[in-house]
Parts: sequence; structure tokens; C-alpha cells
Amino acid sequence: EDQVTQSPEALRLQEGESSSLNCSYTVSGLRGLFWYRQDPGKGPEFLFTLYSAGEEKEKERLKATLTKKESFLHITAPKPEDSATYLCAVQVWNSGGYQKVTFGIGTKLQVIP
Amino acid sequence: GAVVSQHPSRVICKSGTSVKIECRSLDFQATTMFWYRQFPKKSLMLMATSNEGSKATYEQGVEKDKFLINHASLTLSTLTVTSAHPEDSSFYICSASLPDYGYTFGSGTRLTVV
Repeated sequence: EDQVTQSPEALRLQEGESSSLNCSYTVSGLRGLFWYRQDPGKGPEFLFTLYSAGEEKEKERLKATLTKKESFLHITAPKPEDSATYLCAVQVWNSGGYQKVTFGIGTKLQVIP
Repeated sequence: GAVVSQHPSRVICKSGTSVKIECRSLDFQATTMFWYRQFPKKSLMLMATSNEGSKATYEQGVEKDKFLINHASLTLSTLTVTSAHPEDSSFYICSASLPDYGYTFGSGTRLTVV
């Protein structure tokens, strides 16, 4: 069974204090790994897609990396507006031949001024 | 960018009534739409996959007669919660897939059944 585990569940940082969020996965036939940001009461907002081990992508203060077993979302010098829940999801091809996405429960990040 | 518009954002209904949630792709054609349910402190749970012009594919454990999905056009998919009960109260989110963009999500619908 496909599994996606995110850690920590919650993270509290001081403004400017860099850190990393982890997403470990156990799937067969990974097609892609996604990172999303979700604000309370809103739908997830797309951040990155990673397809192969060694791939990295950056956007402002965020950088996502991928290995064969896990992905990291690095947050450099975070600001209070980075406070949100960050979701990781993996996409695989299931036995029926169509794509399936499995989400982790997310890491709730709070950045304190 | 690709936008999925979801309505309503919040709805309160009485037990036993039905509620329809709409998702529209505003600037692209969505051949496939996905419907999720999200519980507090839980991951997004895929309920069903809807393909334009054909029957939806439901995940195991999801009652197809309770959660009716219609995807009659390339820009509109609807989820109808029939004979709603308090345990159906949840946050429902739709999404569409885009090449190299992952999935774009609607803003979600908070359903409360009283």
C-alpha cells in the first residue's frame, strides 16, 4: 500500500530561522511528488513537482529536493506569511492504469515575528 | 494560471436534504476531476475520479449512491451529497490535473449538516 509520511506534524519557527520539512514515501512506480501549501479553510496551492531523485526546485524562500525515499522542503529565513500547512503528495500509476495521488497529513508551520 | 472555481465555499443544510457542490475549470478543459474529503488533522482522502462523459470511479468505501458525481462537460463537475447526515459534515475539495503542473485545487466547500 502506498504510504506518505510527513514530519514533523507541527513546527514553530522564529522569523528568519531556517528549517526543513520531511516527506518520506513508500510507493511502487512513482510518477511524481508534489508539494502544496494550504491555508486554513482553503484548497491546496501548488508549489512544486519533482519527478526524479536528485531533482531540486526553488521558489522564493522554498527549495524542494527529492531522493528515492524522501523529499525535503527547505525554508530559508521564513517570514510570518509563510505560516501554513505544507502538504506532500505522491502520484503513481495504479493497477487500473490511471493515476492516483496519495497525500500526507501535512506539516503545520507557524512562523513567529 | 489554471484556476478551478468551487462553489459554494460554505453550506449548512438540514439532515436528510441534498447538497450540490460545483467545480468549474475557468481557463482550461478538465478531462478529469478529482473529489477529495478532508478531515481535521488527516490527509486529503480521494473519494472519486470523474471523467468527462463517463461514470465516475469511486474509491473503496465511498458510497456511490450517497455521493453522486456528474462531469457532463469539460469545464464542470458536480458532487451531490444526497440525504446528508451529520457525519457527512466535512471539507470537500475538487481538483483537476494539468501536465507538469500537478494538480490545481478548488478553494473547498465546508459542509455542515445539522
